Amino acid sequence: DIQMTQSPSSLSAFLGDRVTITCRASQTIRNYLNWYQCKPGKPPQLLIYAASSLQSGVPSRFSGSGSGTEFTLTISSLQPEDFATYYCHQGYTMPPTFGQGTRLEI
Amino acid sequence: VQLVESGGGLVQPGGSLSLSCAASGFNFNNYAMNWVRQAPGKGLEWVSGISDSGLETYYADSVKGRFTVSRDNSKYTVSLQMHSLRVEDTALYYCSKERKAYGSLDSWGLGAQVTVSS
Repeated sequence: DIQMTQSPSSLSAFLGDRVTITCRASQTIRNYLNWYQCKPGKPPQLLIYAASSLQSGVPSRFSGSGSGTEFTLTISSLQPEDFATYYCHQGYTMPPTFGQGTRLEI
Repeated sequence: VQLVESGGGLVQPGGSLSLSCAASGFNFNNYAMNWVRQAPGKGLEWVSGISDSGLETYYADSVKGRFTVSRDNSKYTVSLQMHSLRVEDTALYYCSKERKAYGSLDSWGLGAQVTVSS
């Protein structure tokens, strides 16, 4: 199975900050990388697919980059609603696997 | 798009439970569907997937041989039958719709709670 490793596991930041979360795959996944936002009591929300494509309805302050084995999710200017847990996810090969999550705190 | 899970509950170890997911708002027949779970205080874990036709099914090693996924394209439903349940299967189980490419899950239900405890 492909292992997905996120860093950091947790992150503290201020409103308006620019933050970056990294996700590394144990082998190449081309650009089959997706990012989700999870909040308590709500289902996960797809933010980014295909490493860098913004899902419809997601604010443009979210962006993704990378290919192969290293990927990043960037939030350009943190808003109050962005404090959540973020997961990367590879859809390149079975079984699909998620990173362990990055908790973003105020 | 709307996905609504049902069928969760409390079951003893070794018991069985069946989850169902009712889909609406999209052409269900054209999309693969997946089940993803989240144990209390833990991350997301992919559980099972089924192709748009239902001919191909996939399972995580942790549930292989115990869980069975199926779908009824005439009723727009996907189901997950769970047998020989273990305490570690306790989780919130989400039904999700898979985008055509990249394996991304672009719509999710609210989840169904499964608790395995004696």
